[in-house]
Amino acid sequence: NAGVTQTPKFQVLKTGQSMTLQCAQDMNHNSMYWYRQDPGMGLRLIYYSASEGTTDKGEVPNGYNVSRLNKREFSLRLESAAPSQTSVYFCASSERLGNIQYFGAGTRLSVL
Amino acid sequence: QQQVKQSPQSLIVQKGGISIINCAYENTAFDYFPWYQQFPGKGPALLIAIRPDVSEKKEGRFTISFNKSAKQFSLHIMDSQPGDSATYFCAASKQTGANNLFFGTGTRLTVIP
Repeated sequence: NAGVTQTPKFQVLKTGQSMTLQCAQDMNHNSMYWYRQDPGMGLRLIYYSASEGTTDKGEVPNGYNVSRLNKREFSLRLESAAPSQTSVYFCASSERLGNIQYFGAGTRLSVL
Repeated sequence: QQQVKQSPQSLIVQKGGISIINCAYENTAFDYFPWYQQFPGKGPALLIAIRPDVSEKKEGRFTISFNKSAKQFSLHIMDSQPGDSATYFCAASKQTGANNLFFGTGTRLTVIP
């Protein structure tokens, strides 16, 4: 049982490059989330999708865009990467908002 | 502004000892308080959670103590084991309405054999 799958696991970008982080869940969950984790900052919510077809900003949305492609998939796009976006990114899903969140293994992104 | 404040940042405990991690919150509308455990290279995973209608919840060696009047909650790990070495995050949310999960900054626990 895969749960929440994130790709890629590692990525190095140059400043100004763009990329999309992929996330898919196989638990038939309605809600999905993107977080970033930085040392001493905990996990901070970037965007979330309460259900298919909806997305909302979280605590730190600037510099990111998201797409809820279907019920299974929720992608995070960096249009013009900046060194401040160097972080570990986690995708999570839950049956609905407020329920237990299940996390993927993370994507470690470095922007040079 | 940090919605949930967590301390200490790091903790070293001898095997068999008690590990205690503390969290405090301001928003009285929060009504769900989970703890997540994260091993290196992995995503966080739910460890135990509590709602404010009880003052304590125990699951095996892990206990959450909740003080609603002080707006504080803590995780106690009894008989700590080297396998408990991980980063622990407390969190809080409202179960209804807009209910983002707000995380503490994390505590890195090291249990020495």
